[in-house]
Amino acid sequence: EPEVTQTPSHQVTQMGQEVILRCVPISNHLYFYWYRQILGQKVEFLVSFYNNEISEKSEIFDDQFSVERPDGSNFTLKIRSTKLEDSAMYFCASSPQQNSNQPQHFGDGTRLSIL
Amino acid sequence: ILNVEQSPQSLHVQEGDSTNFTCSFPSSNFYALHWYRWETAKSPEALFVMTLNGDEKKKGRISATLNTKEGYSYLYIKGSQPEDSATYLCAPMYSGGGADGLTFGKGTHLIIQP
Repeated sequence: EPEVTQTPSHQVTQMGQEVILRCVPISNHLYFYWYRQILGQKVEFLVSFYNNEISEKSEIFDDQFSVERPDGSNFTLKIRSTKLEDSAMYFCASSPQQNSNQPQHFGDGTRLSIL
Repeated sequence: ILNVEQSPQSLHVQEGDSTNFTCSFPSSNFYALHWYRWETAKSPEALFVMTLNGDEKKKGRISATLNTKEGYSYLYIKGSQPEDSATYLCAPMYSGGGADGLTFGKGTHLIIQP
């Protein structure tokens, strides 16, 4: 069964550094998402992406965050200048259609640790 | 801010017993409810997407019901097994659909004791 894959599985970065988290969505999916979960808290929506542009973003997704689909397969989340509070599990997801009754398919996540 | 409540927060169940837990959400402009199962160190796995009031869906020993008028859904697990241990997340969605992000509840952390 096709899967969403994320790399790396664990990223350790110094505060203030830029970090790029990578995702390969399921190949025929058109909608892509990033979520995060800070330890002990809810899974929170960050951003959705369709047709090479941001479709929706949450309040968390401020100017230090950006997303990109640099080629036909990768979907990346960049954090420009990391802060301690960016430490979290980041999940990528994809779905096939613009339709809320389709499930989103999640990757295994990248654990980001900011030192 | 969307208020999605899941209860209980955690639950210990003896292997073989059946159990259920709740997701409550605002009913106004409701469109769909997603249930996910999330095992530690794995990705959240979609269980059900439910849209109609009175809907009941089943996947093996797991089933779910939906009440859109009062804004709640129950998830049932029959004859719990150790592999059912996971966090169960719900996420309602509202009219407007599209590529909306999911707003999850905090989840119910289920532990099955052998």
